[in-house]
Amino acid sequence: QKEVEQNSGPLSVPEGAIASLNCTYSDQGSQSFFWYRQYSGKSPELIMFIYSNGDKEDGRFTAQLNKASQYVSLLIRDSQPSDSATYLCAVSSGGSYIPTFGRGTSLIVHP
Amino acid sequence: NAGVTQTPKFQVLKTGQSMTLQCAQDMNHNSMYWYRQDPGMGLRLIYYSASEGTTDKGEVPNGYNVSRLNKREFSLRLESAAPSQTSVYFCASRDRIYEQYFGPGTRLTVT
Repeated sequence: QKEVEQNSGPLSVPEGAIASLNCTYSDQGSQSFFWYRQYSGKSPELIMFIYSNGDKEDGRFTAQLNKASQYVSLLIRDSQPSDSATYLCAVSSGGSYIPTFGRGTSLIVHP
Repeated sequence: NAGVTQTPKFQVLKTGQSMTLQCAQDMNHNSMYWYRQDPGMGLRLIYYSASEGTTDKGEVPNGYNVSRLNKREFSLRLESAAPSQTSVYFCASRDRIYEQYFGPGTRLTVT
């Protein structure tokens, strides 16, 4: 059984701080890693994906992947109250793209 | 483009009743998915369809059936609803590369 683990939170950070969200996965063959944001009562939306070890930056978001440690993280710089949401980590392996989702981490950014 | 649409948005069923959840996408995607999301459980895959004419079971298929009616439409049927099927159901489609696009969801309550 492929597992993706996330701390459920909530993670509370002040406005302007860096929020760090973490995810570990069990399948060593995993190749694709995704971060989705889900506002309360809404559907998930993709905000970042990463395939290679190292960092990938997109605006205020940075995804970090360490395949040796089976660990992927999402950093949100200059956090805003509008970033308050649940962040889902998803991992897939092979070419069929059937992702396994973590349970999500709730992030609260307070003014 | 409407993206991924789902009907109905809300539904209340009595135990033993049947219903079909409808999903359609206008992005010409080959792959479509049905997930359920329960509090604290993340997204769990029920069924998916890699292309028109094919369907496969996901992590939690028991109690459900699906039909890939054509490239646009992918329906999920509950033949005899049970309280354990109370959940939020999301349909998604995937583009050629990686990104899953989710519909707005159907909130189903089985009493």
